[in-house]
Amino acid sequence: DSGVTQTPKHLITATGQRVTLRCSPRSGDLSVYWYQQSLDQGLQFLIQYYNGEERAKGNILERFSAQQFPDLHSELNLSSLELGDSALYFCASSLLQGTTGTDTQYFGPGTRLTVL
Amino acid sequence: TQLLEQSPQFLSIQEGENLTVYCNSSSVFSSLQWYRQEPGEGPVLLVTVVTGGEVKKLKRLTFQFGDARKDSSLHITAAQPGDTGLYLCSSNTDKLIFGTGTRLQVFP
Repeated sequence: DSGVTQTPKHLITATGQRVTLRCSPRSGDLSVYWYQQSLDQGLQFLIQYYNGEERAKGNILERFSAQQFPDLHSELNLSSLELGDSALYFCASSLLQGTTGTDTQYFGPGTRLTVL
Repeated sequence: TQLLEQSPQFLSIQEGENLTVYCNSSSVFSSLQWYRQEPGEGPVLLVTVVTGGEVKKLKRLTFQFGDARKDSSLHITAAQPGDTGLYLCSSNTDKLIFGTGTRLQVFP
C-alpha cells in the first residue's frame, strides 16, 4: 500500500460525458501528479500540482483539467469523453516539487476508465 | 523531444535464468528511475541512479547508469516468478517521461 488513494476504482461512461477522478496523496506529500496509461501510448504524464499550484504540464488535452485543493487532495476532470480516452489513470504523490528527479513518487492503484 | 526507448519489449523466461533490460535515449539525463508495475497496480519505484557509471544493487537486481548518462540497464540474476511485471524507466530532466516498458514474464 503506497498510501495514495484513488476513487473510483472503475468508471464506465459514454462518449460525450464528463467524469471526475479523485486522488488523496500520502500524508505530508505536497505534490500530486496525474498520468494516463493506455496500451498504445504507455504511461504519459499529464499534469503536476505542488501545494495547490500547477507546477508542470505534460501531454494533457484541453478537454482535461485538474486542481489541487487546500487539503492537498486533487481531482482530474475529463470532459467531452471520446473512446480513445479509455485508459488507466494514475495519481502519484511526492514530498517535494520533484525538480531534481530524485523526489520519490508514490503511485495510487489507479482508476480504470472505460468510455463506451 | 526526449524519448526513452526500452528493450526488449517483451521477455518470457524460466525461473532461474538471468536477464538484462535496457533503457536508451539520445538525450543526457541528470537522473533516471526504474519502476516495476504489477498487474492492477501502480508503478513502484525500485531505484534512482544519478551519477554516470553508477551501479546500484537491490538483492538480485543490478542497475547501471551509463557513463554518458544517456542509457541504463537492469540485470536480474536467477529470476523468480515474483519478478513478473512491467519494468519502466523514467526521467525528469526536462520533462517527466516514462520509457516504453519491458513486460517480463517468469515461469516456474
